[in-house]
Amino acid sequence: QSALTQPRSVSGSPGQSVTISCTGTSSDVGGYNYVSWYQQHPGKAPKLMIYDVSKRPSGVPDRFSGSKSGNTASLTISGLQAEDEADYYCCSYAGSYPSFGGGTKLTVL
Amino acid sequence: QVQLVQSGAEVKKPGASVKVSCKASGYTFTSYGISWVRQAPGQGLEWMGWISAYNGNTNYAQKLQGRVTMTTDTSTSTAYMELRSLRSDDTAVYYCAIKSGSYLDYWGQGTLVTVSS
Repeated sequence: QSALTQPRSVSGSPGQSVTISCTGTSSDVGGYNYVSWYQQHPGKAPKLMIYDVSKRPSGVPDRFSGSKSGNTASLTISGLQAEDEADYYCCSYAGSYPSFGGGTKLTVL
Repeated sequence: QVQLVQSGAEVKKPGASVKVSCKASGYTFTSYGISWVRQAPGQGLEWMGWISAYNGNTNYAQKLQGRVTMTTDTSTSTAYMELRSLRSDDTAVYYCAIKSGSYLDYWGQGTLVTVSS
């Protein structure tokens, strides 16, 4: 059982926006501004999309944004494109170790 | 460019050990830590632990304490993860990743470890 809770799946049509939530506790998501998000296409390694709640690594489109409110972090993808279809994992520091969410499958309809 | 290249797939019997390597290039190896993350078939990501490439300090996931050892060889910029007393539920793809602060910003290609009798 994952420490962080994500919806198993979300979907949206091209051009739309979707938001993926990641719910933890005050000991992880709520206690640190150290939430990161990873995108994983089938058979590939995860790729960092967002770090420190809302920062984007260079090369990640600004269609991807992150936020946090209380014990819940969110990843929003605007202007959905076909290549955004993938699994997304949140991750939060919980003291001396990180915890991952269970992952969310994004389907672009 | 930054690259992490991992060793090839392994098939092991229950009770055996496996040692996966992760060769780094394109950055100063001792400036960052290396984390290991595994993913069982069809499952999510599981953090295993990390090692400082600067001083060798380690932090392992509690469930793997006593079975896992992470090391580095700074002369070859290579990190290693050894897992002992393998069980069928250790079957997974094992990833190394560069730990930059609280996040993992470059990942290796993954190494499939299959545990089967």
